Amino acid sequence: QSALTQPASVSGSPGQSITISCAGTSSDVGGYNYVSWYQHHPGKAPKLMIYDVSKRPSGVSNRFSGSKSGNTASLTISGLQAEDEADYYCSSFTSSTTYVFGTGTKVTVL
Amino acid sequence: EVQLLQSGGGLVQPGGSLRLSCAASGFTFISYAMSWVRQAPGKGLEWVSGISGNGGSTYYADSVKGRFTISRDNSKNTLFLHMNSLRAEDTAIYYCAKIIFGVVLGSMDVWGQGTTVTVSS
Repeated sequence: QSALTQPASVSGSPGQSITISCAGTSSDVGGYNYVSWYQHHPGKAPKLMIYDVSKRPSGVSNRFSGSKSGNTASLTISGLQAEDEADYYCSSFTSSTTYVFGTGTKVTVL
Repeated sequence: EVQLLQSGGGLVQPGGSLRLSCAASGFTFISYAMSWVRQAPGKGLEWVSGISGNGGSTYYADSVKGRFTISRDNSKNTLFLHMNSLRAEDTAIYYCAKIIFGVVLGSMDVWGQGTTVTVSS
């Protein structure tokens, strides 16, 4: 199972909005509404930000939103803040009854 | 408080074995599937293995199939990862994680603190 494809880096100024893409196939992202997004600060445990494509866990800021079109999912961060600087990973259930993460995107707040 | 506390890990020679543990508290352990995820140095997250709440179903990434075994002791609220025939490429930080309710392979809403496994001679 190949990793889902994400841009290596995305940057934005405080207050701006950024979008991270996550490209998969019809065997993973496109085939199921089980896409999740995780925020990962180095040295810490990953944090679930979005599940089931667009649902936010309790306690996650509504500045984070998710969507999907075909085989590509997206995470949008609105009103970018310094604390949002981290690595972000998408993930999906797959038709092989496994789970796959994306390649990861480093978000930099300028 | 929902918590996962990991133990095990360390330095092991290529071809060796190691067992990781993950003690759960603050939730009904048997009701939730669990997974292991790892991050090799300088690399991204990689899903390793998953197990259903009752332990009857297990799943593995191709990279570890036949070498790693996931298991759980629901009487002790503990998840395990038994790692055999370890290779240098298994060197990573290993995380255990709780799966959201209702699915066996899915979103992970609670994570352990991570434990480092180093495979080297």
